[in-house]
Amino acid sequence: DAGITQSPRHKVTETGTPVTLRCHQTENHRYMYWYRQDPGHGLRLIHYSYGVKDTDKGEVSDGYSVSRSKTEDFLLTLESATSSQTSVYFCAISDLAISTDTQYFGPGTRLTVL
Amino acid sequence: DAKTTQPNSMESNEEEPVHLPCNHSTISGTDYIHWYRQLPSQGPEYVIHGLTSNVNNRMASLAIAEDRKSSTLILHRATLRDAAVYYCILSDQQFGNEKLTFGTGTRLTIIP
Repeated sequence: DAGITQSPRHKVTETGTPVTLRCHQTENHRYMYWYRQDPGHGLRLIHYSYGVKDTDKGEVSDGYSVSRSKTEDFLLTLESATSSQTSVYFCAISDLAISTDTQYFGPGTRLTVL
Repeated sequence: DAKTTQPNSMESNEEEPVHLPCNHSTISGTDYIHWYRQLPSQGPEYVIHGLTSNVNNRMASLAIAEDRKSSTLILHRATLRDAAVYYCILSDQQFGNEKLTFGTGTRLTIIP
């Protein structure tokens, strides 16, 4: 299995509080991704990174920010959590461009915003 | 973005082959076809991918239509562990950065 960890694995927070989720990899892969998964929507891309300090938006980026100061860490921040951000969040990594490579996914973080 | 269409659910008997269809009529010439699956309470895992030719690996086979407007994931001998949601995805290249856009997939149930 690819070395990807996510922390925390579970979190319950209140509306309006900031939340940071961490994705850590030991594979030295270039690309890192944050997805959210909700019933009826499959996985939706939030943000991704194609190198240290190089990030871009996905299809559901509103309300989220990311940072990548080191190859191995990709942080997802909810500046002011809302109930609509209750979801399961998955991090993924890949070494090359998607068309020629595989994405490896982490175990997920279940976030509940009350 | 090129989209894919999959049946919402399928059932198959254990130890029999399974053919999971996917339609992608708007696929472009440079789009790769990817399959991932997600077991209960886990993150998705890679199954197979291809461009034009049929592909085989230890998990499955991918059969791609000659016009590339459809493909089929083949599990040669289903086991209970193959019960999962299977996603057919086209890679989506924008500004030199490629992304995968997941749909809702096909939920595969294996009958013992």
